[in-house]
Amino acid sequence: SYVLTQPPSVSVAPGKTARITCGGNNIGSKSVHWYQQKPGQAPVLVIYYDSDRPSGIPERFSGSNSGNTATLTITRVEAGDEADYYCQVWDSSSDHLVFGGGTKLTVL
Amino acid sequence: QLQLQESGPGLVKPSETLSLTCTVSGGSISSGSYFWGWIRQPPGKGLEWIGTIYYGGSTYYNPSLKSRVTISVDTSKNQFSLKLSSVTAADTAVYYCARDQRDGFNSLFDYWGQGTLVTVSS
Repeated sequence: SYVLTQPPSVSVAPGKTARITCGGNNIGSKSVHWYQQKPGQAPVLVIYYDSDRPSGIPERFSGSNSGNTATLTITRVEAGDEADYYCQVWDSSSDHLVFGGGTKLTVL
Repeated sequence: QLQLQESGPGLVKPSETLSLTCTVSGGSISSGSYFWGWIRQPPGKGLEWIGTIYYGGSTYYNPSLKSRVTISVDTSKNQFSLKLSSVTAADTAVYYCARDQRDGFNSLFDYWGQGTLVTVSS
């Protein structure tokens, strides 16, 4: 089955740029979606189809996808961005939905 | 604004069947553009996809759970449901329902319920 690999944690100072990676075999050929989950809350879609932002998501959130790595980038990080972030794809070869293991973003 | 709400017992005994319902408001579950899914999250762990259903009845299940899972839809009540049989402590989790924007090659969840904690314990 298809596997998505994320770093368990990423730390960044306020005002800096955070990059969270999501690795998978030829992931660049798939569409990647990203979710933000704050403690005690349901996940929220922050990036879909690699780089599109739903309405209400700040422009500070962006995404890219190429080769074997997709990346969620958060610029000018704020304390309120501290959360767990999950990448997700649909593996059409097996008709299965896959989540990455999640990355905890800590704002120092 | 679309809203989803999970409901069902918060405590289930080992070996029994977990049953949850998701009620959709602010939109029709019979909308041809969308699927409907279940996702769970064990305490302190990551998200796990359980399965997805189309209002017409087509279903897709996580292979690791497929033998124990049934997802169904009741369009008259604008609800869809999850049944997970032969539960063990490993099935203790927060269970979320969500709207699934699916096409032939992609699937993503754009609206989520608040989640409901189900504990498996005698």
